Amino acid sequence: RKEVEQDPGPFNVPEGATVAFNCTYSNSASQSFFWYRQDCRKEPKLLMSVYSSGNEDGRFTAQLNRASQYISLLIRDSKLSDSATYLCVVEYAGKSTFGDGTTLTVKP
Amino acid sequence: DADVTQTPRNRITKTGKRIMLECSQTKGHDRMYWYRQDPGLGLRLIYYSFDVKDINKGEISDGYSVSRQAQAKFSLSLESAIPNQTALYFCATSEGLNEQFFGPGTRLTVL
Repeated sequence: RKEVEQDPGPFNVPEGATVAFNCTYSNSASQSFFWYRQDCRKEPKLLMSVYSSGNEDGRFTAQLNRASQYISLLIRDSKLSDSATYLCVVEYAGKSTFGDGTTLTVKP
Repeated sequence: DADVTQTPRNRITKTGKRIMLECSQTKGHDRMYWYRQDPGLGLRLIYYSFDVKDINKGEISDGYSVSRQAQAKFSLSLESAIPNQTALYFCATSEGLNEQFFGPGTRLTVL
């Protein structure tokens, strides 16, 4: 079993749709959690950190469930520009483990 | 100017050759990382460094070595390149357990 597993995708949704991604992790002692966005063949960039209390940034909401060891990302009112690969990242003892990513394509 | 730079951006080499990938950062961060990414997969950690004197192996360090020449510079070497080391390589930096900032990547092809 991989340390970090994501929904396999791909997700193809129309503009305006709401889409949710899940990510599970195996190390219960994991300390920090993030969602990164990666556009095709480019470097990943931080989308948002994930906190136990949940956090929201505009159309994006991230949640952490430590008991069940998963994090989620909700995107509301999808835009064409949201098309990308979303990487779940879990950190422990200074080491980051990346999920394989979920690809989202938003269509007109 | 970019905060994290990588050289070269693209490299084609032959099996058995030694190759070095270089990373420089102007962010003043203490931590630096090297990852590789294969098509359809996430990033896998090769080596990471918490400071100049603290270098650690990551998930897939076999066949690679690193050098932290200064706080701002972290180099990755392939002593004898092999075809399955063909991948996209990213360098990243962070300040503690915070956001990682990535370089633009080096696309390496080993023939």
